[in-house]
Amino acid sequence: DTEVTQTPKHLVMGMTNKKSLKCEQHMGHRAMYWYKQKAKKPPELMFVYSYEKLSINESVPSRFSPECPNSSLLNLHLHALQPEDSALYLCASSQEHRVGEQYFGPGTRLTVT
Amino acid sequence: QKEVEQNSGPLSVPEGAIASLNCTYSDRVSQSFFWYRQYSGKSPELIMSIYSNGDKEDGRFTAQLNKASQYVSLLIRDSQPSDSATYLCAAYFGGGSNYKLTFGKGTLLTVNP
Repeated sequence: DTEVTQTPKHLVMGMTNKKSLKCEQHMGHRAMYWYKQKAKKPPELMFVYSYEKLSINESVPSRFSPECPNSSLLNLHLHALQPEDSALYLCASSQEHRVGEQYFGPGTRLTVT
Repeated sequence: QKEVEQNSGPLSVPEGAIASLNCTYSDRVSQSFFWYRQYSGKSPELIMSIYSNGDKEDGRFTAQLNKASQYVSLLIRDSQPSDSATYLCAAYFGGGSNYKLTFGKGTLLTVNP
């Protein structure tokens, strides 16, 4: 199984809502990533978890809150987002010593109204 | 600031031609390099990785790395319309940037039938 799954595929939320994005992989990868991607831009790293511990937070606003409940799951909790947060949110995973060889999920298309 | 630079294109080639995508990077200590393909509306997919100087071939794709000149390229032989996508060059610099993959801005390739 070389698949990373993400739910939901699409999400529309108001600025006062709380929602969560979910990501799952069963490849035994111990590094998991959240990226944000705007149209015609490369993915922008947000968070990295290594062995279920937060390794990198790229100065992401606190309205984004990551969580890694176990080695297969990654969540991104969203609260009080702004319209400029509308983007494609990508989850990825890799073996911890092969950071460049990342497997991406299909992404969640988020629209903040 | 460790950077990866790509010609943003767009690059247009006729079907059957060789498409040449180029990338330069700023850090002489860079470890490894990767090419990701991203179809419109989809997530990135790893197509090539290269860790040492020289050429690496995989089917119609050849990655070339020249660490002395700090460039990496991707050649696509016998280009097909299905190769039309954005190609992202990425570098893993390692060291203090553990777990962080640095992406170029991407080159949009169109293969015309």
